[in-house]
Amino acid sequence: AQSVAQPEDQVNVAEGNPLTVKCTYSVSGNPYLFWYVQYPNRGLQFLLKYITGDNLVKGSYGFEAEFNKSQTSFHLKKPSALVSDSALYFCAVRAPRVTGGGNKLTFGTGTQLKVEL
Amino acid sequence: DAGVIQSPRHEVTEMGQEVTLRCKPISGHDYLFWYRQTMMRGLELLIYFNNNVPIDDSGMPEDRFSAKMPNASFSTLKIQPSEPRDSAVYFCASSLRQGNSGANVLTFGAGSRLTVL
Repeated sequence: AQSVAQPEDQVNVAEGNPLTVKCTYSVSGNPYLFWYVQYPNRGLQFLLKYITGDNLVKGSYGFEAEFNKSQTSFHLKKPSALVSDSALYFCAVRAPRVTGGGNKLTFGTGTQLKVEL
Repeated sequence: DAGVIQSPRHEVTEMGQEVTLRCKPISGHDYLFWYRQTMMRGLELLIYFNNNVPIDDSGMPEDRFSAKMPNASFSTLKIQPSEPRDSAVYFCASSLRQGNSGANVLTFGAGSRLTVL
């Protein structure tokens, strides 16, 4: 079974400082990894994904994530946080089709990011 | 494109009543997903369809829940009879398979917030 862990319920950062939102995963085979963001009263929005290739993936709004196979991690990062980045962030994983993963995307429990002035 | 359209946005009903949630996916997308979001359980996949055919309904909580996709532009999630523990935000999402990797990016609707009294 595939799973995702987001160990922090909330992350607080001062505006202008770098931010990291942590994610670790468990899946059979090489993972497909995603980050989504949810603003209040809205659906989730896609930020970035890792399929293969360069371990550092760049996405929307200046976010990036680093895939680390040995640590089974896919942490979300941004060099300089903005107040407008405050939202709920979800990491997600699915197994590749060849390992029978179907198309099921499993989400973590979410991390609330709060960026303060 | 108007994105994934869900209705109603809010529904308040009494225990025992039938609830029907509706979803219009993005035109041309061949996958449709129903998720449920609660504080306690996070984001759970209930069921997903490919080309209008249910592929995996293992996340459907019990027989009170049913989902249909009669055509490519419409899906329903029905709860009959509803119970207070069904109170949650229900999201519909759609995606288009991207090449052989199948690394679909989901586009979510704004959600239907259900309250069962």
